[in-house]
Amino acid sequence: EVHLEESGGGLVKPGESLRVSCVASGFTFNDYSMNWVRQAPGKGLEWLASISSGGDYIHYADLVKGRFIISRDNDKTLLYLQINDLRVEDTAIYFCAREGGGYKYPLDYWGQGTLVTVSS
Amino acid sequence: DIQMTQSPSTLSASVGDKVTVTCRASHFVDHWLAWYQQKPGKAPKLLIYKTSNLESGVPSRFSGTGSGTEFTLTISGLQPDDFATYYCQQYNVYGWTFGQGTKVEIK
Repeated sequence: EVHLEESGGGLVKPGESLRVSCVASGFTFNDYSMNWVRQAPGKGLEWLASISSGGDYIHYADLVKGRFIISRDNDKTLLYLQINDLRVEDTAIYFCAREGGGYKYPLDYWGQGTLVTVSS
Repeated sequence: DIQMTQSPSTLSASVGDKVTVTCRASHFVDHWLAWYQQKPGKAPKLLIYKTSNLESGVPSRFSGTGSGTEFTLTISGLQPDDFATYYCQQYNVYGWTFGQGTKVEIK
């Protein structure tokens, strides 16, 4: 059974950095592209970043380019999102999600998310 | 980025009703359009991919149509479990984007 579990969220101050993680199980991790999506409290979904199966192709939403860094460790089946220079508006639940296999497939499995709260 | 606009934002309906949600893209996305269902406190669940293909395990009362820039999600015979928020998403080009969501609530 596919399982994704995020961790690393918490309360941080504006300007600080944080790394959230996602551990994957139940599938061959290094066969799939992975993504991060966030959801601010009471708001909609916002796609953040994607990383290919081997880590060589990376895409970011314009909104986070230069401040967020997606990476992965295929040996440990871990996905990461480094968030730098945190802002109050980064307060959200951060979800990791698997991009389904094959040519052009959306997000077929999601974790339950980790809450990042940015406040002074 | 491609903007996705859903309508309506909120929809009140009764069990058994047929409901339709519309999603418009600001630019051509071909048929690379997905629909997700999200319930409070839960992660989104993929319902439909490539405009009209049901994800495994999704009931056949859900259907999707459209192409290019205009798409619809239809629920034929609303069930109690269907009251939730629905999001469309384009995945034609990176810089993937979601619609703002449509909340289907009980009338």
